[in-house]
Amino acid sequence: DADVTQTPRNRITKTGKRIMLECSQTKGHDRMYWYRQDPGLGLRLIYYSFDVKDINKGEISDGYSVSRQAQAKFSLSLESAIPNQTALYFCATSDYGLAGGPIRGMETQYFGPGTRLLVL
Amino acid sequence: AQKITQTQPGMFVQEKEAVTLDCTYDTSDQSYGLFWYKQPSSGEMIFLIYQGSYDEQNATEGRYSLNFQKARKSANLVISASQLGDSAMYFCAMREGRFGGGTASKLTFGTGTRLQVTL
Repeated sequence: DADVTQTPRNRITKTGKRIMLECSQTKGHDRMYWYRQDPGLGLRLIYYSFDVKDINKGEISDGYSVSRQAQAKFSLSLESAIPNQTALYFCATSDYGLAGGPIRGMETQYFGPGTRLLVL
Repeated sequence: AQKITQTQPGMFVQEKEAVTLDCTYDTSDQSYGLFWYKQPSSGEMIFLIYQGSYDEQNATEGRYSLNFQKARKSANLVISASQLGDSAMYFCAMREGRFGGGTASKLTFGTGTRLQVTL
């Protein structure tokens, strides 16, 4: 089974609808992230969470909200979807790095398979 | 200014040849990490290789190596002996700041390079 799963994998919705994208992980990581990918723009960070009680906005959080229901679950909501939110959405997880100096290979982010969202 | 720059929108390479994908970065932090991810046509993001700013040797992972030139702020990915399955988008990304710190987990991505391996 995949370590990071996303549901649904594909979704078509209409303008104004509320939708939720879900992410679950079995890696035991504390940190979880939501990104969106648009053609030619790479990935951009929407929200991130370092633990259940710590949620932070990324660079493009407007129009989105998140919920960290448990260490393993991080949901992204579009309260009122609009067409320019059509994109590929990724969830990612990473382990908490130790303070004081880099450790090779730590804090690598591992991505889920992505959710393709089309807003009509 | 862009923090991660990938100047090659698309690259072609013949099977079994080596290819270098360019990545330059911009940061004022002393502690940072550089990552490469592969995105095949199926869409998933696959972690390939990591280079820490304090690492004295270039990172290697199988056929992947990272040509890290700190003074030039470049972190080019080298794929040796290309295979048809290497055809994909490749993204360079950077994590800035003190390792383990709050902001240090955020990744900034480049716009990617599409690699096509030909027979």
